[in-house]
Amino acid sequence: SQQGEEDPQALSIQEGENATMNCSYKTSINNLQWYRQNSGRGLVHLILIRSNEREKHSGRLRVTLDTSKKSSSLLITASRAADTASYFCVTGAYSGAGSYQLTFGKGTKLSVIP
Amino acid sequence: DSGVTQTPKHLITATGQRVTLRCSPRSGDLSVYWYQQSLDQGLQFLIQYYNGEERAKGNILERFSAQQFPDLHSELNLSSLELGDSALYFCASSVRGRGIDSGELFFGEGSRLTVL
Repeated sequence: SQQGEEDPQALSIQEGENATMNCSYKTSINNLQWYRQNSGRGLVHLILIRSNEREKHSGRLRVTLDTSKKSSSLLITASRAADTASYFCVTGAYSGAGSYQLTFGKGTKLSVIP
Repeated sequence: DSGVTQTPKHLITATGQRVTLRCSPRSGDLSVYWYQQSLDQGLQFLIQYYNGEERAKGNILERFSAQQFPDLHSELNLSSLELGDSALYFCASSVRGRGIDSGELFFGEGSRLTVL
């Protein structure tokens, strides 16, 4: 079953603008990660935020986590054409059977127009 | 470069055939994950191995199987191929595979399988 759901599915902005992508999930998590995927390429890890953290920064990226609302957001500031990619949120949690699972959302497709 | 190597990069085959995809994880990583990515299904977790043992199973079909060898490389075997098996197959590795924080995954560039 899908744990993380990104919103919007697609986003188109002008270069220099900020891009905000959201992720909602259903069950308790231990951490949440964001990955980027350029078309047809492998996924690249961007940032990990633990369940006891509320905000994390990495360069032009800012991630927030609200465990009470079961949601996270990824903000890319001053976007560049090179940021054009799909962005996935990945939740990490123990399953009912006790194994630890990572679950990917379907992604937000970001287009940054030069 | 993530340090994860997948071969072959592209593969075209016919329905009913069998293929093997290979993955070499990053040096020192004990966990290997396999994912399938198709246009309509997104990224689907297939299976995870940790230090040679199966750790978790996702939406892996019975026609598919995998293993991790003592040198930690892994192979994904797909048999009785159907048109719907056409997809990008990704391998990822991580240092950990047990405990609360499995941490960051490092992805290979994928193997694109086309079944005609």
